[in-house]
Amino acid sequence: EVQLAESGGTVVQPGGSLRLSCAASGFTFSTYWMTWIRQAPGKGLEWVANIRKDGSVTKYVDSVEGRFTISRDNAQNSLYLQMNGLRAEDTAVYYCARDSNSFDPKGYYYDTFDIWGQGTMVTVSS
Amino acid sequence: ATQMTQSPSSLSASVGDTVTITCRASQGIRTDLGWYQQKPGEAPKFLIYGASNLQSGVPSRFSGSGSGTDFTLTISGLQPEDFATYYCLQDYSYPRTFGQGTKVEV
Repeated sequence: EVQLAESGGTVVQPGGSLRLSCAASGFTFSTYWMTWIRQAPGKGLEWVANIRKDGSVTKYVDSVEGRFTISRDNAQNSLYLQMNGLRAEDTAVYYCARDSNSFDPKGYYYDTFDIWGQGTMVTVSS
Repeated sequence: ATQMTQSPSSLSASVGDTVTITCRASQGIRTDLGWYQQKPGEAPKFLIYGASNLQSGVPSRFSGSGSGTDFTLTISGLQPEDFATYYCLQDYSYPRTFGQGTKVEV
């Protein structure tokens, strides 16, 4: 079964650091881009970062650029999010998602988040 | 960043109704748009990609249309399991951006 399982969420003080993990199973992890998406309590979804299959390219939303680092270990089928300088506004459920290419009948492809983990809660509070 | 604006933010409907949700992009995004469904306490589920292509296994009562800046998600014959929050997402440029969500409730 294709699965993603996040871990590492907890309560952390403002300014603190935390590392989230996402364990992948049931598919060839090294052949997919991977993504982190978060959702603040009672709010909508926010794309946070993604990483190329081999880890050579990363993208971030402006609000976390310079504070968060996405990485992966293909040998361990794992995705990570190192979060430094945490702020209250980083409080959210963090989801990892598989970033797939879906093709339309004309052969164009689109980035799609077709597999999601169950999420891990990060609370930034003193 | 490309801003995605959904409307309405919520709507009331009944089983069997047809509902339409709109999503507007702040700049042209061709058809690089997807729709996601989220139920309380669950991770989102991927429904539609490329503005109008149904993901495998998604019921045909869901349909999407649009290109450029204006997009719609239509649910024809609402079923009890369709009461949820729906999000559009543009995958045309970075950072990827979601609409703020539309809650479909009874």
